[in-house]
Amino acid sequence: IQLTQSPSSLSASVGDRVTITCRASQGISSYLAWYQQKPGKAPKLLIYAASTLQSGVPSRFSGSGSGTDFTLTISSLQPEDFATYYCQQLNSYPQLTFGGGTKVEIK
Amino acid sequence: EVQLVESGGGLVQPGRSLRLSCAASGFTFDDYAMHWVRQAPGKGLEWVSGISWNSGSIGYADSVKGRFTISRDNAKNSLYLQMNSLRAEDTALYYCAKGVGATLRYAFDIWGQGTMVTVSS
Repeated sequence: IQLTQSPSSLSASVGDRVTITCRASQGISSYLAWYQQKPGKAPKLLIYAASTLQSGVPSRFSGSGSGTDFTLTISSLQPEDFATYYCQQLNSYPQLTFGGGTKVEIK
Repeated sequence: EVQLVESGGGLVQPGRSLRLSCAASGFTFDDYAMHWVRQAPGKGLEWVSGISWNSGSIGYADSVKGRFTISRDNAKNSLYLQMNSLRAEDTALYYCAKGVGATLRYAFDIWGQGTMVTVSS
């Protein structure tokens, strides 16, 4: 299963609403997770099961979708949110895949 | 403190082998699936391999199938990745990651800091 993220990069300002999409090449139900990675750091789990917020993650992050189309939304972008975001599908185990990533930069 | 610490990376010639280890602490290791994920310099994340809590379910990315072998020792709270027939394209930072649940169908909630593997002559 291939995951296509769009856009591959975006520029936004603090306070902006940001939306990242992830499209699967075939249906994956709700077996989708989102991760945030900052430079030089390991990825951090934000959302699993498409829309469940991981413990400790700010509520400005939200996820939606099922089947083939998914969305990660940051309701009000904060300075610490500038990072690269990846989606991951867990439906076709034992083979799992990540999307190509979306880099969120400061405008 | 929940922690994963990878080791075993380094510089290796093409065609040679390397064994990575991941030491887990701060949680009940044998309750969870474990995974290896790699990231080539300046590139995105690539899932490499995963193993369920009891080693009953194992998966590999097509790019490493037949060359890499994942294993775990629950008595030692350790995860391993045996990498054979290494290629230049295997050069990457290798992360160990913990699944949220026992099978391979769960997201990864804890990650190590990674160990670098460089394949070059």
